[in-house]
Amino acid sequence: GAVVSQHPSWVICKSGTSVKIECRSLDFQATTMFWYRQFPKQSLMLMATSNEGSKATYEQGVEKDKFLINHASLTLSTLTVTSAHPEDSSFYICSASSGANEQFFGPGTRLTVL
Amino acid sequence: KQEVTQIPAALSVPEGENLVLNCSFTDSAIYNLQWFRQDPGKGLTSLLLIQSSQREQTSGRLNASLDKSSGRSTLYIAASQPGDSATYLCAVRTSGSRLTFGEGTQLTVNP
Repeated sequence: GAVVSQHPSWVICKSGTSVKIECRSLDFQATTMFWYRQFPKQSLMLMATSNEGSKATYEQGVEKDKFLINHASLTLSTLTVTSAHPEDSSFYICSASSGANEQFFGPGTRLTVL
Repeated sequence: KQEVTQIPAALSVPEGENLVLNCSFTDSAIYNLQWFRQDPGKGLTSLLLIQSSQREQTSGRLNASLDKSSGRSTLYIAASQPGDSATYLCAVRTSGSRLTFGEGTQLTVNP
């Protein structure tokens, strides 16, 4: 099946710093990538949808200036958490779709903001 | 707005037991429904995907059914094993590629 990777798998940062998370589709071209956030013992909540070469569409309540998404190529999307605060600590998961039926999920990135 | 509910929230069973996980959704206008497995601190593993035109899908000891008109799906796990212990998530695809997830069922299979 299709493989999606994320880097880093975990990151610890100080409050106020910015953190970049990469999501790559390794063996297919992803026309659309999705970013989700998952708090402990909760389900996945969609943050934004990005299509290659265009601006991301953010879900209601998600600050686009705080969570910067770039989908510059068909195999790479990045999520930058700017001026991170402890409440941004969460598990961030990306998924990728080639426009067919299914989304393929990455292994997730655990962000801890001190 | 699509809402997905999973029952029970947690389930503990002895090894070898057959079990059923339930998923319901409020808007029946779906493209497909997918069951995932998530181990602690890990990403999602897709188990089964059922198209809106299908009634069920099977993979090994897993069988998923879909009743679109009533907004329900079940995941049946036969002869459960300790390695099946995980959180099981149900997600429905509605407009475009958007997935809406349920809260999950945390399954523990005791040896």
